[in-house]
Amino acid sequence: QSALTQPASVSGSPGQSITISCTGTSSDVGGYNYVSWYQQHPGKAPKLMIYDVSNRPSGVSNRFSGSKSGNTASLTISGLQPEDEADYHCRSYTTGSTWVFGGGTKLTVL
Amino acid sequence: EVQLVESGGGLVQPGGSLRLSCAASGFVFSSYEMSWVRQAAGKGLEWISHISTGGGTIHYADSVKGRFTISRDNAKNSLYLQMDSLRAEDTAVYYCAASRRFDYWGQGTLVTVSS
Repeated sequence: QSALTQPASVSGSPGQSITISCTGTSSDVGGYNYVSWYQQHPGKAPKLMIYDVSNRPSGVSNRFSGSKSGNTASLTISGLQPEDEADYHCRSYTTGSTWVFGGGTKLTVL
Repeated sequence: EVQLVESGGGLVQPGGSLRLSCAASGFVFSSYEMSWVRQAAGKGLEWISHISTGGGTIHYADSVKGRFTISRDNAKNSLYLQMDSLRAEDTAVYYCAASRRFDYWGQGTLVTVSS
């Protein structure tokens, strides 16, 4: 149950687009279309932003999108806004019917 | 309004035990799979346990297997985590999360394992 690999930090200016990667193996990210992304502001609980690779829950801005290629999933945020500054965590289903998270990525909006 | 409220955290000595609770409201608790997730200070999220709607299917992360026990009481709309043989590395904020997608999260309860 090794954690998925995310970059520790990414940054972008308001209005720009950024992409956060989440790399696993064929036993998790590559083997299932059950990748989710969560946004977490400091001191707050995580919030679901993307589920099943590319689906947005009701109420989540369409500036957030998800995709997957092989063992790597990606979260793209377009039209960056100051309120997007937060930590982002990916999660995947794994063989053995367990879940695994990535290490988290801190997004800074410059 | 969906609410998940964790309780039961606190300071415990290494080797000790704690029982966390998660009270659910605003949704049909018995229809939702539930999980516990923890987060050490400054670290990422770690999934630690999952329970099916009826409680018949349970899974644990290797890091807590044999020490932690998840359970639920659908009549009381509550989820529990019995934590035994606690270690310093179990120090974290513990969240309960609802659904396979982890749609809903509580605000967390802090567990500190220290002598």
